[in-house]
Amino acid sequence: DIQMTQSPSSLSASVGDRVTITCRASQSITNFLNWYQQKPGKAPKLLIFAASSLQSGVPSRFSGSGSGTDFTLSISSLQPEDFATYYCQQSYSNVFTFGPGTKVDIK
Amino acid sequence: QVQLQESGPGLVKPSQTLSLTCTVSGGSISSGGYFWSWVRQHPGKGLEWIGNIYYSGGTYYNPSLKSRITISVDTSKNHFSLKLSSVTAADTAVYYCARRSAAGGANDAFDIWGQGTMVTVSS
Repeated sequence: DIQMTQSPSSLSASVGDRVTITCRASQSITNFLNWYQQKPGKAPKLLIFAASSLQSGVPSRFSGSGSGTDFTLSISSLQPEDFATYYCQQSYSNVFTFGPGTKVDIK
Repeated sequence: QVQLQESGPGLVKPSQTLSLTCTVSGGSISSGGYFWSWVRQHPGKGLEWIGNIYYSGGTYYNPSLKSRITISVDTSKNHFSLKLSSVTAADTAVYYCARRSAAGGANDAFDIWGQGTMVTVSS
């Protein structure tokens, strides 16, 4: 299976901060990388697909980049509703795997 | 707008079979174009893909669970189901159903999710 790692595992930030989360795959997955946001007690929500494509309805302050093994999710100006856990997920192999998550909380 | 809703027992005894159903509304499973998936999340942990099914019945399972999983689809009822046999406490989790595109390429993501259902394995 392709292993996904994320860093940091958690971070504290303030409203208005720029936040960057990193995801790394154990082998090249080209751009088969998705990002999800999950709030407590809720299902994950798709933010970014194909590494950099913004899902319909997702605010433009979210952006994704990267290819191969290294990817980033950026939030340009953190809003109160963005405090959540973020997961990356690869769809390159037939066995889909997720990263362990990055929790973003309020400083 | 397509919506997914999981249903099934919230408590299952060890060694028994966990059975869940995901009902699709606002769209038809048999129209094709999507895989219908199950994903679980252990308490306080990350996400684990279980498997998926196409409307025609073709399935693909996570090899780590393959020996215990059956996913089936009933297009007449517009729902798909998960059976996980020989459960243990390690199968206690929130179980989500989700939709992913079958179009191929990198646009392959879980774009619609059910709200999730907590299943506890305990005697």
